[in-house]
Amino acid sequence: AQKVTQAQTEISVVEKEDVTLDCVYETRDTTYYLFWYKQPPSGELVFLIRRNSFDEQNEISGRYSWNFQKSTSSFNFTITASQVVDSAVYFCALRSTTDSWGKLQFGAGTQVVVTP
Amino acid sequence: DVKVTQSSRYLVKRTGEKVFLECVQDMDHENMFWYRQDPGLGLRLIYFSYDVKMKEKGDIPEGYSVSREKKERFSLILESASTNQTSMYLCASSLNQERGTDTQYFGPGTRLTVL
Repeated sequence: AQKVTQAQTEISVVEKEDVTLDCVYETRDTTYYLFWYKQPPSGELVFLIRRNSFDEQNEISGRYSWNFQKSTSSFNFTITASQVVDSAVYFCALRSTTDSWGKLQFGAGTQVVVTP
Repeated sequence: DVKVTQSSRYLVKRTGEKVFLECVQDMDHENMFWYRQDPGLGLRLIYFSYDVKMKEKGDIPEGYSVSREKKERFSLILESASTNQTSMYLCASSLNQERGTDTQYFGPGTRLTVL
């Protein structure tokens, strides 16, 4: 069975601090995809990144960076120099390629609160 | 840009009522999904559809049904709403690309309250 664990329920930081969100996953598949989504107060989930299991290079996009460690089954997300607009719930998700319909398994989400 | 819209942002219904939640996507995606989101549980898949008139149960289909008569529209139906169906409902769609590669795009959600 697949499982995604986001152990941090809520993280509060002051603006300009860095914040790292943890994501640990479980799967028996050798090929899979990992995702991060952001859900601002408006409610809509916004896609941030997709990473396949064969690509362990870390990725940076502006103030966002992702650290994929296959050896520890983790796909952590860091926001550098946080801003108030980063306040949202962030979800990590796993998709198996053996599931022909590509269902996503979501973690419980981490609420990030950035105060000025 | 992919656009997924949901018919209502907020909905209040009474126990026993029949409830329809509508979702429309404008990118000719084959796959459409309905999730419910509850605090501490993340998103859980209710039903999904991979083609017109085709549907598959997700992880928590009990108490729900779906309809997909047109490619762009996917409806979630609560035949007899109950208070434990009070939740945020999110619709998503994806292009049916090579297995595992397609990304799901989400609508703004419908917050349903059943009294």
